[in-house]
Amino acid sequence: AQSVSQHNHHVILSEAASLELGCNYSYGGTVNLFWYVQYPGQHLQLLLKYFSGDPLVKGIKGFEAEFIKSKFSFNLRKPSVQWSDTAEYFCAVSPLLFINDYKLSFGAGTTVTVRA
Amino acid sequence: EPEVTQTPSHQVTQMGQEVILRCVPISNHLYFYWYRQILGQKVEFLVSFYNNEISEKSEIFDDQFSVERPDGSNFTLKIRSTKLEDSAMYFCASSGKAGKYFGPGTRLLVL
Repeated sequence: AQSVSQHNHHVILSEAASLELGCNYSYGGTVNLFWYVQYPGQHLQLLLKYFSGDPLVKGIKGFEAEFIKSKFSFNLRKPSVQWSDTAEYFCAVSPLLFINDYKLSFGAGTTVTVRA
Repeated sequence: EPEVTQTPSHQVTQMGQEVILRCVPISNHLYFYWYRQILGQKVEFLVSFYNNEISEKSEIFDDQFSVERPDGSNFTLKIRSTKLEDSAMYFCASSGKAGKYFGPGTRLLVL
């Protein structure tokens, strides 16, 4: 079974600071990788995903993530955060079993607090 | 943009009662899922559903749980006899070519 670990439980930054959230996974086979965001009181929203191809993926709201296969990592980045980026961020992994079938294993989540 | 919807948004029930959580997945998706998130814990996979049957389920998904797609649009999760530890946020999801999308969740509180 796959597992996902997120390095930071809580990150506090000031506006305009750069953000990087670490995510490592363990799984022997090919995976699909996702980052989801959960704003306070809202549901999980897909930020970005990696299926194949260019390991640097760009998502919504200025986020990007880089898949480094040799390190089993999929770190999330944003060069300049805003107060509205305050949320909980979840890394998730799905084995590539069937097309369009993604059984996700989630990391524990990282709470990001951006101070104005 | 199409989205997954869930009803109700909140449900309070007494221990031992049956609850049904409802979901309307994105219309052209073929895979459906339920996840739950107990307060302060990880989001956990419960069950996946494809072609009108369960394709995979976790250890959490015991005999108290069942899923159904009663018509062409709804996807339901039934908990037959709720326990205190079933209190959680329950997320429905569906997936297609573009990825997996979650509903807003139903917050279930068992008293």
